[in-house]
Amino acid sequence: DAKTTQPPSMDCAEGRAANLPCNHSTISGNEYVYWYRQIHSQGPQYIIHGLKNNETNEMASLIITEDRKSSTLILPHATLRDTAVYYCIVRGLGGQTGANNLFFGTGTRLTVIP
Amino acid sequence: SAVISQKPSRDICQRGTSLTIQCQVDSQVTMMFWYRQQPGQSLTLIATANQGSEATYESGFVIDKFPISRPNLTFSTLTVSNMSPEDSSIYLCSVAPSGGNGYTFGSGTRLTVV
Repeated sequence: DAKTTQPPSMDCAEGRAANLPCNHSTISGNEYVYWYRQIHSQGPQYIIHGLKNNETNEMASLIITEDRKSSTLILPHATLRDTAVYYCIVRGLGGQTGANNLFFGTGTRLTVIP
Repeated sequence: SAVISQKPSRDICQRGTSLTIQCQVDSQVTMMFWYRQQPGQSLTLIATANQGSEATYESGFVIDKFPISRPNLTFSTLTVSNMSPEDSSIYLCSVAPSGGNGYTFGSGTRLTVV
């Protein structure tokens, strides 16, 4: 599986854009980049995913570089409720049956400051 | 996306006993996954559970310690057997995406072994 590297923590002022980087330099051509977040004491929540084109939904935007070796998750107007650990994941294969699953790294702890 | 109900939400158990965690999904899903999140750590995949076949365990996890059942396409259980304090963690179930959405996670079971 492709490894991902994220900064351990970031701060962002409330109302400003939060830009969370992720490096995945060993990603293979058929692997997607997924972003999840985990708010304290809850299960991870899906945010967005992409293959090579930039993606946008109601929660965030995902910018993937042309060589696909890195990506950035953008929360356009961060709120206090966006304080969470954000995980960048490259979907790989695991287990004897080759079932698709997710391997989590250590993530980035984003703190939105009032 | 699927909605997952996970029970119990938390429990405190005596060492040497076993706890069975239930995961109910509101739609039929082929693959279900069980994760462990130790205190202050990221998520680690325990096993993949497909209906009609034995679960596939990741390195470091064995069936005798974490037996899994998958009797139908909407339900799975994970048992944590012969518990010790080192098993104190949050255990989460997850289902694979459908219709292009991301993986969905249950809210987790917070287990404390004393």
